[in-house]
Amino acid sequence: AQKVTQAQTEISVVEKEDVTLDCVYETRDTTYYLFWYKQPPSGELVFLIRRNSFDEQNEISGRYSWNFQKSTSSFNFTITASQVVDSAVYFCALSEADNAGNMLTFGGGTRLMVKP
Amino acid sequence: DSGVTQTPKHLITATGQRVTLRCSPRSGDLSVYWYQQSLDQGLQFLIQYYNGEERAKGNILERFSAQQFPDLHSELNLSSLELGDSALYFCASSGTGERETQYFGPGTRLLVL
Repeated sequence: AQKVTQAQTEISVVEKEDVTLDCVYETRDTTYYLFWYKQPPSGELVFLIRRNSFDEQNEISGRYSWNFQKSTSSFNFTITASQVVDSAVYFCALSEADNAGNMLTFGGGTRLMVKP
Repeated sequence: DSGVTQTPKHLITATGQRVTLRCSPRSGDLSVYWYQQSLDQGLQFLIQYYNGEERAKGNILERFSAQQFPDLHSELNLSSLELGDSALYFCASSGTGERETQYFGPGTRLLVL
């Protein structure tokens, strides 16, 4: 069965620091999809990125970057020069291709607090 | 704004009651998903519908049921409510391709007293 682990439950940084959020996943499938979502204090879930298992290229989007390593089953998320607006709970999620549907299995989330 | 709408935003009810949560997917999306977010269980998948038919089922209680209507909106019905059903219920939708990204609505916060 699939599983996603976010070992860091809470991280606190000072503005402008870089921070990395860890995500480790377990799956028996060779084809799967990984996602990151952000949940700000207002409560909605905002999609950040999607990665399929055949694409190990790292991705950078502004201050955000993602490092996907199949060898360690990890999909880590780095925020460079963090800002107060980055304060949120971040979720990593997994979808397996073999599932009949498209359910997402979420990690427990990492609460990031960025202090001014 | 994801384009997914959910009503109501907040719901307060009593144990034993029944409530209906409503979701309208993004324009063109055929799949609708329901998730429950609670403090003890985290974010859990409940059920998925695709173009009116049930596609996948997760840890959904028998007291809960859902359906997707011809206009593609979906409703989640929760009955015989218990205190432990208090949670944030999310609806998400996705397009017609394989393993499309799910876009989430703002959620319905349910409080059972």
